[in-house]
Amino acid sequence: NAGVTQTPKFRVLKTGQSMTLLCAQDMNHEYMYWYRQDPGMGLRLIHYSVGEGTTAKGEVPDGYNVSRLKKQNFLLGLESAAPSQTSVYFCASRGLADNTGELFFGEGSRLTVL
Amino acid sequence: RKEVEQDPGPFNVPEGATVAFNCTYSNSASQSFFWYRQDCRKEPKLLMSVYSSGNEDGRFTAQLNRASQYISLLIRDSKLSDSATYLCVVNSGGYQKVTFGTGTKLQVIP
Repeated sequence: NAGVTQTPKFRVLKTGQSMTLLCAQDMNHEYMYWYRQDPGMGLRLIHYSVGEGTTAKGEVPDGYNVSRLKKQNFLLGLESAAPSQTSVYFCASRGLADNTGELFFGEGSRLTVL
Repeated sequence: RKEVEQDPGPFNVPEGATVAFNCTYSNSASQSFFWYRQDCRKEPKLLMSVYSSGNEDGRFTAQLNRASQYISLLIRDSKLSDSATYLCVVNSGGYQKVTFGTGTKLQVIP
């Protein structure tokens, strides 16, 4: 069972470069999320999606864009990377009918911006 | 005040000890509560949900105090494999209102 898969797992960028993180889930979940995790800050929500074709801003959306063209995929884009975006990025998903509220996370993508 | 606050630790305890973590939340309208476990450099995984009546899963007991707005996690007979960071998670309503605490680090020592 793949669950939630993130690619790439590691990436080093120079300031100003762009890149896209891909999140894929095979659980037919409606909700998908992108978080970033920084030391002492906990997980902070960047953007989320409640279904195919819909996205919304979370707590820290600036500098990021997202798209959900297919239900199973949620893409996170960095248009012009900045050192402040050095972080570990986690994608998560949750099912609409899941009343436990459990979030299923990918293994994380470690991004360094020089 | 942070929406969800936890003591970051670390808590260093010997094997077999009992350890308790507390977490406070600021939004009195919060609806559901969870404890997640995160191993070093890994993703968070659900440990257990927290119910108003309190709930137990093996060596783990979670409790909720709505009046004082805190939740707790008790681990009995600590194992080396319990070493991890424990994240308090609060849902204040809706699919996006999920707030994570910064986590409490536990190190169980032989």
